[in-house]
Amino acid sequence: EAGVAQSPRYKIIEKRQSVAFWCNPISGHATLYWYQQILGQGPKLLIQFQNNGVVDDSQLPKDRFSAERLKGVDSTLKIQPAKLEDSAVYLCASSLVGLTYGYTFGSGTRLTVV
Amino acid sequence: KNQVEQSPQSLIILEGKNCTLQCNYTVSPFSNLRWYKQDTGRGPVSLTIMTFSENTKSNGRYTATLDADTKQSSLHITASQLSDSASYICVVSSDNNAGNMLTFGGGTRLMVKP
Repeated sequence: EAGVAQSPRYKIIEKRQSVAFWCNPISGHATLYWYQQILGQGPKLLIQFQNNGVVDDSQLPKDRFSAERLKGVDSTLKIQPAKLEDSAVYLCASSLVGLTYGYTFGSGTRLTVV
Repeated sequence: KNQVEQSPQSLIILEGKNCTLQCNYTVSPFSNLRWYKQDTGRGPVSLTIMTFSENTKSNGRYTATLDADTKQSSLHITASQLSDSASYICVVSSDNNAGNMLTFGGGTRLMVKP
């Protein structure tokens, strides 16, 4: 079975620029998560989708971050404008609906804001 | 507030030695506990998953234990190899009315030296 695909793997941008990350979950996984992982820390949930609906976005900085999951499959996470403190790895994960088993993470996108 | 605390934060051991990583949690309601291995620049990869009724689970040289009464878990690595150098993250899952929720520990950074 193919894993969770993310792109790009690395991105370097200047502060105040915009950036977008893409995630393709495992086929059939209705639940999709975006996490922010700052170096040396555990991942922090940004947003959780179930199909194309948002379940939890309480920790998403909505003034600059946005995410969408059109058609309940692929998802994009956007930052506009980026700040230095946004430098982190952005992980996407997916799982089956209603199950806590089967969480699978993508390899992540490492963002550096300079 | 749900919390997962791991210790030590970092650990250096010699190749071939054993080590044990600790995880204490206060998560309710409890669904399951997972240990993940995260290589630098990669997404977390699941090592073990344990439910409330499971006390121990092994995956090769990795053995996880769970004491649901004291809310503690450990990950024991036997005969360490250089490739074991990574961060090990304890994650506790909770099912509630809002859906599935994962609480991440901060991780233990393990370095195995020759």
